[in-house]
Amino acid sequence: GAVVSQHPSWVICKSGTSVKIECRSLDFQATTMFWYRQFPKQSLMLMATSNEGSKATYEQGVEKDKFLINHASLTLSTLTVTSAHPEDSSFYICSARDGSLADYNEQFFGPGTRLTVL
Amino acid sequence: DAKTTQPTSMDCAEGRAANLPCNHSTISGNEYVYWYRQIHSQGPQYIIHGLKNNETNEMASLIITEDRKSSTLILPHATLRDTAVYYCIVRPSSYNQGGKLIFGQGTELSVKP
Repeated sequence: GAVVSQHPSWVICKSGTSVKIECRSLDFQATTMFWYRQFPKQSLMLMATSNEGSKATYEQGVEKDKFLINHASLTLSTLTVTSAHPEDSSFYICSARDGSLADYNEQFFGPGTRLTVL
Repeated sequence: DAKTTQPTSMDCAEGRAANLPCNHSTISGNEYVYWYRQIHSQGPQYIIHGLKNNETNEMASLIITEDRKSSTLILPHATLRDTAVYYCIVRPSSYNQGGKLIFGQGTELSVKP
């Protein structure tokens, strides 16, 4: 199956700093990527959908100025958590959709990035 | 999006079949049933999906009722490595409908020796 990577796998930062998380599709071109957040003992919550070359679409309640998403190429999307605070500590997961597949909706998930804000 | 209902948790003995139910009574005609699982602290892993017919792959079998209002994921011979949260998701088949996956709470399956 297709492989999606995330970097870093975990990060610890101080409150008020910004953190960038990368999501890469390693062996396919991802026309669409999705970003999720997961708090402990909870399910995944979709944050936003990003299409290559266009602005991301954010889910209701997600602050677009705080969670900056860039999908500048068909293999890379980045999520930047700006001015991070302890409540932003979470597990961030991306998924990517391979536009060349017959099943356009097939998604492949990354391994996740654990963010801890002190 | 159609909502799904799953039991919060289930136990299964190692080597036995694990049968995970899912109710999706409001599913539309163009919506597929997808199953993913998430092992602790990892990203979700695709298992199987189907529309009307029963499906089987190397990981599991999916049984969808004739009225499509419910389905069952079957892991034929559960192992300890199958311990995970299993998510049942319904989603439209059309590319133009966004392809978003909306996760519910899932079923936490514990496979015990």
